[in-house]
Amino acid sequence: GQNIDQPTEMTATEGAIVQINCTYQTSGFNGLFWYQQHAGEAPTFLSYNVLDGLEEKGRFSSFLSRSKGYSYLLLKELQMKDSASYLCAVFNEDTGGFKTIFGAGTRLFVKA
Amino acid sequence: DTEVTQTPKHLVMGMTNKKSLKCEQHMGHRAMYWYKQKAKKPPELMFVYSYEKLSINESVPSRFSPECPNSSLLNLHLHALQPEDSALYLCASSHLIQGTTAKNIQYFGAGTRLSVL
Repeated sequence: GQNIDQPTEMTATEGAIVQINCTYQTSGFNGLFWYQQHAGEAPTFLSYNVLDGLEEKGRFSSFLSRSKGYSYLLLKELQMKDSASYLCAVFNEDTGGFKTIFGAGTRLFVKA
Repeated sequence: DTEVTQTPKHLVMGMTNKKSLKCEQHMGHRAMYWYKQKAKKPPELMFVYSYEKLSINESVPSRFSPECPNSSLLNLHLHALQPEDSALYLCASSHLIQGTTAKNIQYFGAGTRLSVL
């Protein structure tokens, strides 16, 4: 089966650091995406991990451990505009083509 | 340019209407996707086109009919929809590279917000 788990909601303070965890069990794996989605808008690409380790991109970093089926997204120096849903998604090749399976998303609330 | 353009942005239709959603990209991507997203839920994959051919249909009802006229365009034809089909419909595109590669990033359009009355 396909299963991607992430916390439903998190709250953090402006200027702080927050870590959003994601665990997955999927029939295949070619990579893991993190997307940001503000309410009523399209998902925006943040990061893509293919190999184990940490990928850093400005205030955002993403980590992957394929053996543990685990990833996290780290957001530093939080800003109010970071309040959004963060979607963990696994990308794999399935019969017929490529598929992306999304987790339910983590709603992050940044407070002053 | 990482733009995927969807039209219309909003659509209201009755259960007997026929309408179409359109999606366009000029990034040379050969994979295009339709997703359905309900409020506070993640996107759910509906269809995948690879090299203009339908490669994945996630058991979507036949009242949704996808079409890929060329490598830049993707349509979703709607007919006899139900009120529960009201949702945000997202189009996305990506390269098609075998194996693990960062070029398979999916870029999303802004979506069409559909209301079925």
